[in-house]
Amino acid sequence: QSALTQPASVSGSPGQSITISCTGTSSDVGNYNLVSWYQHHPGKAPKLMISEVTERPSGVSNRFSGSKSGNTASLTISGLQAEDEADYYCCSYAGLSTVVFGGGTKLTVL
Amino acid sequence: QVTLKESGPALVKPTQTLTLTCTFSGFSLTSSGMRVSWVRQPPGKALEWLARIDWDGDRFYSTSLKTRLTISKDTSKNQVVLIMTNMDPVDTATYYCARMGGWSMDVWGKGTTVTVSS
Repeated sequence: QSALTQPASVSGSPGQSITISCTGTSSDVGNYNLVSWYQHHPGKAPKLMISEVTERPSGVSNRFSGSKSGNTASLTISGLQAEDEADYYCCSYAGLSTVVFGGGTKLTVL
Repeated sequence: QVTLKESGPALVKPTQTLTLTCTFSGFSLTSSGMRVSWVRQPPGKALEWLARIDWDGDRFYSTSLKTRLTISKDTSKNQVVLIMTNMDPVDTATYYCARMGGWSMDVWGKGTTVTVSS
């Protein structure tokens, strides 16, 4: 299982939109609609933001949305807010009842 | 309200065995479809999935660590235990347990930090 590929960092100004990509292979992201996204503020518990590529859990702002094309999944955050500044991780089912995480992306709100 | 809390030693020596306990509430690991996973994060590095145990007792492990890991559950105590053998300084990390809904981790504990050092 190789880690999914995410950009190390992205940034945006308040109110703008940003997209974080998550590239895997045909053995994980490309083969299953089972990609999830997590927001992680250092020192706190990670928080599920998106499940099954596009599903937003109850209580998660509709500013967060997910999508997938081929072997690449994406997380889009619209109307950036200061509180969105955090690390974001994607995760995909990788077969044989295992999952694999991405390398993480640090989001900076300028 | 679903909560999970990790506990275990903060410091272990190289070659020792680490035992971590995840104590949870708000759900039952005997209910069909319930799963609990362990995930770790070394300092400055990414999250890494380690193991999972299901309501029916099925267990699954990271390919790279499966020879060193054992996951078990005590449903009477609402606990999941992770044992990792032959600890090394590279295993220094914050270890999290999380409930899995489907294939996503919908509720996480706050984590417990483990340092491996002589």
